Amino acid sequence: KAGVTQTPRYLIKTRGQQVTLSCSPISGHRSVSWYQQTPGQGLQFLFEYFSETQRNKGNFPGRFSGRQFSNSRSEMNVSTLELGDSALYLCASSSQPGPQETQYFGPGTRLLVL
Amino acid sequence: GDSVTQMEGPVTLSEEAFLTINCTYTATGYPSLFWYVQYPGEGLQLLLKATKADDKGSNKGFEATYRKETTSFHLEKGSVQVSDSAVYFCALSDLQGGKLIFGQGTELSVKP
Repeated sequence: KAGVTQTPRYLIKTRGQQVTLSCSPISGHRSVSWYQQTPGQGLQFLFEYFSETQRNKGNFPGRFSGRQFSNSRSEMNVSTLELGDSALYLCASSSQPGPQETQYFGPGTRLLVL
Repeated sequence: GDSVTQMEGPVTLSEEAFLTINCTYTATGYPSLFWYVQYPGEGLQLLLKATKADDKGSNKGFEATYRKETTSFHLEKGSVQVSDSAVYFCALSDLQGGKLIFGQGTELSVKP
């Protein structure tokens, strides 16, 4: 079974631009979560989607948004990019929401903001 | 709020040495606990998990036991290999699910 895939793998943008990242979950998985990883802040939860609905949201500004499609694929968007948005963005999928469910991670999209 | 604290790295060991990476947590209720590993340039891979008190998770020679009384989930391996060099993350799942709260990560370097 194919794992979680994320596109693109690398991205370079300039301040003020916007960016869209894509995530395809493991086949049959319906829950998708997004995380930001930086050397200073570590791994931080962005949001989680299930059945096209945002179930949970982390403490990030409104510039960060996401959505999920009917096939469970998810996208996240960051508008008005800032230098501090440079990070590895990780997507994870699980078969369904729940505290005991295992989240399986993709390889990440590395975003550099200049 | 919920939080996870890991021992600081980097940890440097010789091959075949015993490994312990400490992890303690603060949480409401009894969350599920996880250890993930991240190799350079890659995403996170699940190493093991435990969903209730006294559960022991194990995989590839690694073990961790969910200790409710000490709110801990320490990772151990009896004999490390060079290929175990990576960053290890302890995490808990909030009660709603879908959100993992991670420790800061512990970098392990194993020398031949």
